[in-house]
Amino acid sequence: ETGVTQTPRHLVMGMTNKKSLKCEQHLGHNAMYWYKQSAKKPLELMFVYSLEERVENNSVPSRFSPECPNSSHLFLHLHTLQPEDSALYLCASSQDQTIEQYFGPGTRLTVT
Amino acid sequence: GESVGLHLPTLSVQEGDNSIINCAYSNSASDYFIWYKQESGKGPQFIIDIRSNMDKRQGQRVTVLLNKTVKHLSLQIAATQPGDSAVYFCAENIGNTGNQFYFGTGTSLTVIP
Repeated sequence: ETGVTQTPRHLVMGMTNKKSLKCEQHLGHNAMYWYKQSAKKPLELMFVYSLEERVENNSVPSRFSPECPNSSHLFLHLHTLQPEDSALYLCASSQDQTIEQYFGPGTRLTVT
Repeated sequence: GESVGLHLPTLSVQEGDNSIINCAYSNSASDYFIWYKQESGKGPQFIIDIRSNMDKRQGQRVTVLLNKTVKHLSLQIAATQPGDSAVYFCAENIGNTGNQFYFGTGTSLTVIP
């Protein structure tokens, strides 16, 4: 175990649904990340939070909305998603942004 | 975007042999590199890292080599075991771009018993 947990592990949702992904890190890190992993594509960075402030938003559609209530928790709120949003969503954390990140197991999202 | 790629998408090796996985990067300003291993159903797991002021770094059964002249990174796994079967990918950090990591697409390593 890496010290980063994600729930749920699998999620199937319709395009009109609203759901949230949750990430929790038990490592005392001060930075947290959301990535999207699609088949045969590099990891795509979506959001970065450092000290609970969003510092990076890589042109992610507004149907994805992150929330970082404290340094241990990170959420990704989903609404009116598209089928092409189906992917593995990975959360990661690190102590500062310049060193290795620890990843959670991911949430496998399927949009129908 | 940045170009971080792997030369081969798949690699099969016999158990006990050594494995070499390669990665090319395009930005000479990259100053920190990481190799990750991702097993099926799991998130990426840190293996080893190297900074640009080094050419080589060794861990347990793994060695990373960095050739800054040709912008090439490799991961060597000694005495490959079935548990090494996974997707391996490299990530580079470019210090002047806000400390964002850029990831490669990955090489799938299969160890044949």
